[in-house]
Amino acid sequence: EADIYQTPRYLVIGTGKKITLECSQTMGHDKMYWYQQDPGMELHLIHYSYGVNSTEKGDLSSESTVSRIRTEHFPLTLESARPSHTSQYLCASRDTGELFFGEGSRLTVL
Amino acid sequence: GNSVTQMEGPVTLSEEAFLTINCTYTATGYPSLFWYVQYPGEGLQLLLKATKADDKGSNKGFEATYRKETTSFHLEKGSVQVSDSAVYFCALYNTGGFKTIFGAGTRLFVKA
Repeated sequence: EADIYQTPRYLVIGTGKKITLECSQTMGHDKMYWYQQDPGMELHLIHYSYGVNSTEKGDLSSESTVSRIRTEHFPLTLESARPSHTSQYLCASRDTGELFFGEGSRLTVL
Repeated sequence: GNSVTQMEGPVTLSEEAFLTINCTYTATGYPSLFWYVQYPGEGLQLLLKATKADDKGSNKGFEATYRKETTSFHLEKGSVQVSDSAVYFCALYNTGGFKTIFGAGTRLFVKA
């Protein structure tokens, strides 16, 4: 069973609000990832981290930012949410080959 | 570059039918291959994996064989259940690399 947790599971907010999606894992994994999943199901890598104090942009350009101050914690922040940010956000971590996913945060921006 | 192509869905089957979801890949080196499953309202979870050519991964009645000669990793199950309704993702990962390459996902509906 994966030990990676995302909060909130669901969030509905108005345009212009700042939001932070939390992601924590208790497996001690160095590599962590954020994916955006569109309604067509396809996964897009938006951020990743090799370890503490490492963050990189993914394949899909995103206005969000991430930080990695502690191994177990990889939060994603949107400074000013817009309706175009409405999506499902999935956090994951990796030990060797397999990815472990959280249950996702479904964000709706009105 | 590396890529994964899987059959488009949705796939709709009756309970106890045979399932095949095709997956082919393009990769440099010798990647590991995976099938992940996403049940409604959840994140992805590993269904099965194979790390080298001719390996067969299996779990929960699903299986897939790593075929290097045809660059394929097709997912099969002999008798599907309603509870198998989900989205299935084929993926590859090069050991020592960083990114997992996912297919676009195939949605499976199983009717009682």
